[in-house]
Amino acid sequence: DSGVTQTPKHLITATGQRVTLRCSPRSGDLSVYWYQQSLDQGLQFLIQYYNGEERAKGNILERFSAQQFPDLHSELNLSSLELGDSALYFCASSVAQGAGNEQFFGPGTRLTVL
Amino acid sequence: QQQVKQSPQSLIVQKGGISIINCAYENTAFDYFPWYQQFPGKGPALLIAIRPDVSEKKEGRFTISFNKSAKQFSLHIMDSQPGDSATYFCAAGHTGGGGGNKLTFGTGTQLKVEL
Repeated sequence: DSGVTQTPKHLITATGQRVTLRCSPRSGDLSVYWYQQSLDQGLQFLIQYYNGEERAKGNILERFSAQQFPDLHSELNLSSLELGDSALYFCASSVAQGAGNEQFFGPGTRLTVL
Repeated sequence: QQQVKQSPQSLIVQKGGISIINCAYENTAFDYFPWYQQFPGKGPALLIAIRPDVSEKKEGRFTISFNKSAKQFSLHIMDSQPGDSATYFCAAGHTGGGGGNKLTFGTGTQLKVEL
């Protein structure tokens, strides 16, 4: 158990809908990362927050947004969902923000868009 | 554009053998190279990592070899065990101007260790 929690574990929804994925980092970690894992794209970095502020951005679609709250938990919002958004979404956390800080991954949320 | 190329896609090794997974990168700004292990239904977990100022790092049965001039690095698993059967990802990262940390992952290698 990495100490990172993600809810829900599974999510099934329809195209065009909006969902929110939640992540609680390890105790003491200030940085939160979101990744998407799919069969065709592999593990892709989406976005990073550090102590409430956006720090790095990857190939995150405009339909997706995230934020980190004062209690350091983070939410990833996915809207206007398409079939291709079906994937595993992982949250990771680390103590600090730069490279070299070990990222601890949560168990993931499996999103299925029908 | 894929910035970290990983091979092979899958690997079958006999128990006690050596598993070798290779990665190559393009971006010379990368300065952190971790390897992650992922079991089915679980999130990736850090196995071992290296910085470009050393050519080799060993932790137990796991060794990273790093060749800066060739922009390549590899994972060696000595005395491979059935419990090592998992998917392995190499990654590369660097600290961006804003202090951010953006890991770029390879495509993964599915390792199976047979008895």
